[in-house]
Amino acid sequence: QVTLKESGPALVKPTQTLTLTCTFSGFSLSTSGMRVSWIRQPPGQALEWLARIDWDDDKFYSTSLKTRLTISKDTSKNQVVLTMTNMDPVDTATYYCARPRGSSYGDFDYWGQGTLVTVSS
Amino acid sequence: DIQMTQSPSSLSASVGDRVTITCRASQSISSYLNWYQQKPGKAPKLLIYAASSLQSGVPSRFSGSGSGTDFTLTISSLQPEDFATYYCQQSYSASITFGQGTRLEIK
Repeated sequence: QVTLKESGPALVKPTQTLTLTCTFSGFSLSTSGMRVSWIRQPPGQALEWLARIDWDDDKFYSTSLKTRLTISKDTSKNQVVLTMTNMDPVDTATYYCARPRGSSYGDFDYWGQGTLVTVSS
Repeated sequence: DIQMTQSPSSLSASVGDRVTITCRASQSISSYLNWYQQKPGKAPKLLIYAASSLQSGVPSRFSGSGSGTDFTLTISSLQPEDFATYYCQQSYSASITFGQGTRLEIK
């Protein structure tokens, strides 16, 4: 049974760095073809893909946010970590981690419950 | 980035209606198009992948079609649990993008 769960601070101040952790079970990121992505959703707005890490440590980032994002994995802990620098109130959103179906790239059939991050002083 | 444009942005319909939502990509994405349903406070749920393949466990009243730049999601007979927001998403490019969403409301 595949599960994912996001964790991190609920509140960050502007200019701070956000660190989110996705802890998963039911699969291994050392298995060929496995990938995990981060996706966010501001309140009342659309979904926005942020970053992806693959089993072979390949990393991909949103074009608009790539200068602020870093994704990494700890295979032994079954965790994927996303850091986002220079947080701004517009980054207030629910942040999800998700795994695509099989060895595909972006049809996400497993999602975490999401974690709401508010950026405010 | 590939832009995904959904229409309409919102839609009012009744139980039993047939509903179609369209999604247009700014460039050809072959069949790398997925559809999700999202209810308030919940994570999105994958309905359709690869433009027309029904995800396991999803009712057969949901169907998808299209290729290239134009795609549709059809719900053949709306049920009360189908009132939600629907998103299309392309996975052709490594930089994945979503549509802006279509909110399906009860008439």
